[in-house]
Amino acid sequence: GIQVEQSPPDLILQEGANSTLRCNFSDSVNNLQWFHQNPWGQLINLFYIPSGTKQNGRLSATTVATERYSLLYISSSQTTDSGVYFCAVATGTASKLTFGTGTRLQVTL
Amino acid sequence: DTGVSQNPRHKITKRGQNVTFRCDPISEHNRLYWYRQTLGQGPEFLTYFQNEAQLEKSRLLSDRFSAERPKGSFSTLEIQRTEQGDSAMYLCASSRVTGQPYIQYFGPGTRLTVL
Repeated sequence: GIQVEQSPPDLILQEGANSTLRCNFSDSVNNLQWFHQNPWGQLINLFYIPSGTKQNGRLSATTVATERYSLLYISSSQTTDSGVYFCAVATGTASKLTFGTGTRLQVTL
Repeated sequence: DTGVSQNPRHKITKRGQNVTFRCDPISEHNRLYWYRQTLGQGPEFLTYFQNEAQLEKSRLLSDRFSAERPKGSFSTLEIQRTEQGDSAMYLCASSRVTGQPYIQYFGPGTRLTVL
């Protein structure tokens, strides 16, 4: 099956700093989603981005499908950004997602 | 519209007992997925339904696990004879199957602890 790798596994930032999270995948995908998992376990949708670039406030994402990677940018980080960020992909339309192991982000004051 | 809901949110049970979880998807979504997440890992796919038909099951879904979606609306996931290794967060998601984007929306999960 498809392999999904995320880096870095852990990241500690001071409030106000910027960061880039990376997701590499091993096959062509029809679906790529970025999630933020909060401390209570809820997966919050950030982006649906099988290709191209999107921005939402302080967050933006870019997927280069031909090179099989996606990047999530967080600018001016806040303590509420802390948590685990997952990249998940699917090779078929509306099919199961395969998740990476996540990047655990901690933003300190 | 309301999101995906799951009940119960937490379940503590003794080894050997049966447990059942419920998922209510977003109303217009005809595809429903179950995932399991253990500590420190990303969610792993268990099974999914399109309407009432179960279309795919993971090797993770042993004979002790059964899922149903009898009327193509809510779904239940039952674990029989629970084992300590079943302790995990069980997540449900739903999506459309026609018309992009095929975004999966997740519920809050049911956290199972087997003593």
